[in-house]
Amino acid sequence: KAGVTQTPRYLIKTRGQQVTLSCSPISGHRSVSWYQQTPGQGLQFLFEYFSETQRNKGNFPGRFSGRQFSNSRSEMNVSTLELGDSALYLCASSLGAHGKGYEQYFGPGTRLTVT
Amino acid sequence: AQKVTQAQTEISVVEKEDVTLDCVYETRDTTYYLFWYKQPPSGELVFLIRRNSFDEQNEISGRYSWNFQKSTSSFNFTITASQVVDSAVYFCALSSTGAGNMLTFGGGTRLMVKP
Repeated sequence: KAGVTQTPRYLIKTRGQQVTLSCSPISGHRSVSWYQQTPGQGLQFLFEYFSETQRNKGNFPGRFSGRQFSNSRSEMNVSTLELGDSALYLCASSLGAHGKGYEQYFGPGTRLTVT
Repeated sequence: AQKVTQAQTEISVVEKEDVTLDCVYETRDTTYYLFWYKQPPSGELVFLIRRNSFDEQNEISGRYSWNFQKSTSSFNFTITASQVVDSAVYFCALSSTGAGNMLTFGGGTRLMVKP
């Protein structure tokens, strides 16, 4: 089975721009979660989608949004980019429903640099 | 609120030494799940193990073993006869039924195995 794929792998944007990141989960997985990883804050949860519905959201401003499509693929969008948004964005897919502790499998990440 | 603490930020060992990575967690939920992930320099988080709160059996997988103790809220990870390929950042994480599939990560332990 193919693993979780994320595109693009690297991205350089300018402050004030917006960006869309894409994630394709493992085939059959219906839950997709997004995490931000920075040297200062570590790994932080952004949001989780299951069956096209946002099930949980982390403590991030409204500039961060996401969605999930009927084929379970997910996108996240960051508007009005700030320098502090520079990070590795990781997507994780999981087989199971909300709150059942299924293991999550991560993609290689998208490294976003905001200049 | 959930919290995971990995007190060791960096460990350096010589090849073939045994090494234990500590993880202490906090949660108010009675049903929760603990995980260990490995992040090599490539950046992708690799799933290693999952444990639920009702299963305190220790687990051994090759050179890896895990010790889960509810009494001390700890889930420690031991690598026996370490190898250079074990060099990576290791994360302990927690999810609970109250928080959906959201993973709360510890700060990570960077393990350097020298030849």
